[in-house]
Amino acid sequence: GENVEQHPSTLSVQEGDSAVIKCTYSDSASNYFPWYKQELGKRPQLIIDIRSNVGEKKDQRIAVTLNKTAKHFSLHITETQPEDSAVYFCAAANQAGTALIFGKGTTLSVSS
Amino acid sequence: NAGVTQTPKFQVLKTGQSMTLQCAQDMNHNSMYWYRQDPGMGLRLIYYSASEGTTDKGEVPNGYNVSRLNKREFSLRLESAAPSQTSVYFCASTKQRQQYEQYFGPGTRLTVT
Repeated sequence: GENVEQHPSTLSVQEGDSAVIKCTYSDSASNYFPWYKQELGKRPQLIIDIRSNVGEKKDQRIAVTLNKTAKHFSLHITETQPEDSAVYFCAAANQAGTALIFGKGTTLSVSS
Repeated sequence: NAGVTQTPKFQVLKTGQSMTLQCAQDMNHNSMYWYRQDPGMGLRLIYYSASEGTTDKGEVPNGYNVSRLNKREFSLRLESAAPSQTSVYFCASTKQRQQYEQYFGPGTRLTVT
């Protein structure tokens, strides 16, 4: 079945710096790759997603890139702010397209 | 719209006790999911229901059962709770399969002693 690896597990940056989180997946048939943000004590919420017919997608300070050949995708956050501090999860759809398999998460800390 | 709701919010069980976690959504979504979240392990899929009338095992189904009661409701049952099932449980739903945003409920924090 699908397997998603996420790195790093923790990331500390200074306010204003950029942060990059990387994920790899195993199933070449996967075609949907969302990123979720989870603040402490809250539920995960979608922040951006990308489909396999697109190589890059941006939404203000957040961007996601996808390399289908290498089976990896990355989240880029520019000009980080303290409110970006949270746990970020990548995910990939399973082969049947019926469920998401999540990475183990990255705890991002932005210090001012 | 309330979105995805879960009950209860907190629960403490003794080993061997049973309980059912309830989940409901009012967004007319077809697909529903149960996850457990443990520190350092991310969100692991327990069971899912791609559409009303179907259920499938996820990554960690042992010790759990599910029922898709109707299009709105998807329950998770622990028949004989074990300390290893101490976790935060999230229910989620999506419009159709995995091409759309998944909406999560607020979670249930379960402790098994």
